[in-house]
Amino acid sequence: QKEVEQNSGPLSVPEGAIASLNCTYSDRGSQSFFWYRQYSGKSPELIMSIYSNGDKEDGRFTAQLNKASQYVSLLIRDSQPSDSATYLCAVFNTGNQFYFGTGTSLTVIP
Amino acid sequence: DAGVIQSPRHEVTEMGQEVTLRCKPISGHNSLFWYRQTMMRGLELLIYFNNNVPIDDSGMPEDRFSAKMPNASFSTLKIQPSEPRDSAVYFCASSLPGTGFNEQFFGPGTRLTVL
Repeated sequence: QKEVEQNSGPLSVPEGAIASLNCTYSDRGSQSFFWYRQYSGKSPELIMSIYSNGDKEDGRFTAQLNKASQYVSLLIRDSQPSDSATYLCAVFNTGNQFYFGTGTSLTVIP
Repeated sequence: DAGVIQSPRHEVTEMGQEVTLRCKPISGHNSLFWYRQTMMRGLELLIYFNNNVPIDDSGMPEDRFSAKMPNASFSTLKIQPSEPRDSAVYFCASSLPGTGFNEQFFGPGTRLTVL
């Protein structure tokens, strides 16, 4: 079982819709969770971090964490074509190890 | 402000040759991370340093890989001898004191092709 799993997609949503990206992790004791965005041919950039159960909002982005289900998600409201990218979930686990998922490719259709 | 600087941006070499990748972290950052990204395996942490000291190198795939950080402003990742399966994009990232993995800033990457 992989430490962090994501649906590779591609996920396509129309402009203005809500994009929902999901991630599961295997280490139940993990405490830190991150979402990175990576445009094609570019480096990853951090967009959200979350440490507690519940929702965390930042502009059009909302991260949701459910530790009981070992599940973290990212919602993008009012999706724009500029949001088209690969979204990487990352987890810092109890063994002080840091893992990325393989990413979900998102395409926002104008 | 200059971000993380990596060189070279592209490297093409032949199997068996030595490859050295270079990274200059953001000034004031005290943690440095080396990653490798491939389509098959995604983004993998190879090694990270804190205050120039290697903390965890469990991600280094084998003895052909080595990394050094002789000072706060420079790190190298060396592959000797290189093999075609080492072809990947190698990223360096750095973070501020006290933030560790929580606020990493990535460099532009080095695309390595081993023929």
